[in-house]
Amino acid sequence: KQEVTQIPAALSVPEGENLVLNCSFTDSAIYNLQWFRQDPGKGLTSLLLIQSSQREQTSGRLNASLDKSSGRSTLYIAASQPGDSATYLCAVKRNSGAGSYQLTFGKGTKLSVIP
Amino acid sequence: EAGVTQFPSHSVIEKGQTVTLRCDPISGHDNLYWYRRVMGKEIKFLLHFVKESKQDESGMPNNRFLAERTGGTYSTLKVQPAELEDSGVYFCASSQDLWGFLDNYGYTFGSGTRLTVV
Repeated sequence: KQEVTQIPAALSVPEGENLVLNCSFTDSAIYNLQWFRQDPGKGLTSLLLIQSSQREQTSGRLNASLDKSSGRSTLYIAASQPGDSATYLCAVKRNSGAGSYQLTFGKGTKLSVIP
Repeated sequence: EAGVTQFPSHSVIEKGQTVTLRCDPISGHDNLYWYRRVMGKEIKFLLHFVKESKQDESGMPNNRFLAERTGGTYSTLKVQPAELEDSGVYFCASSQDLWGFLDNYGYTFGSGTRLTVV
């Protein structure tokens, strides 16, 4: 059974700091890993998708890495801004064995960037 | 391009009542998924449609939940009768392909329906 853990559960940093969010998963048989952002009361916004054959993806100030063999991914946010405050979710895609693929989510890291 | 649309955004119903949630996926996306998050827990898979067919419904909690996808377009998720433990946020997502190779975003999620059963 796939389990996804995100550490820390909450993080508070001053504006301008670089930060790293961590995600670990127990089963390395994944197809891809996706990082999402969720604002309070809102839906999930996809930030980055890393295929299982890739090591990292970058989008603006965001960089996500994937080490499939060790079951770990990190999301690096450079020069954090108050607008980055949100909950960040990590999800891995796996074969459900029913001709389908499911996402398994972590509980998320709640980030607060203090002006 | 319009995103995934869900409505209502909020619903408060009494225990024993029926509620129907609706999801309109991105046009052209054959794959439609339902997920939900109950308080304090992680988001969990409910089921997956490919066009109008249920590909995987292994995450449906019990037979009080019924999902349909008319003509491979929009989908509805009906809860009948609703129980207190059904409260949570129900998310719908769609994808163009199963693996995210055709676009860099993989799954696109809607804003969710917050269901409260009192």
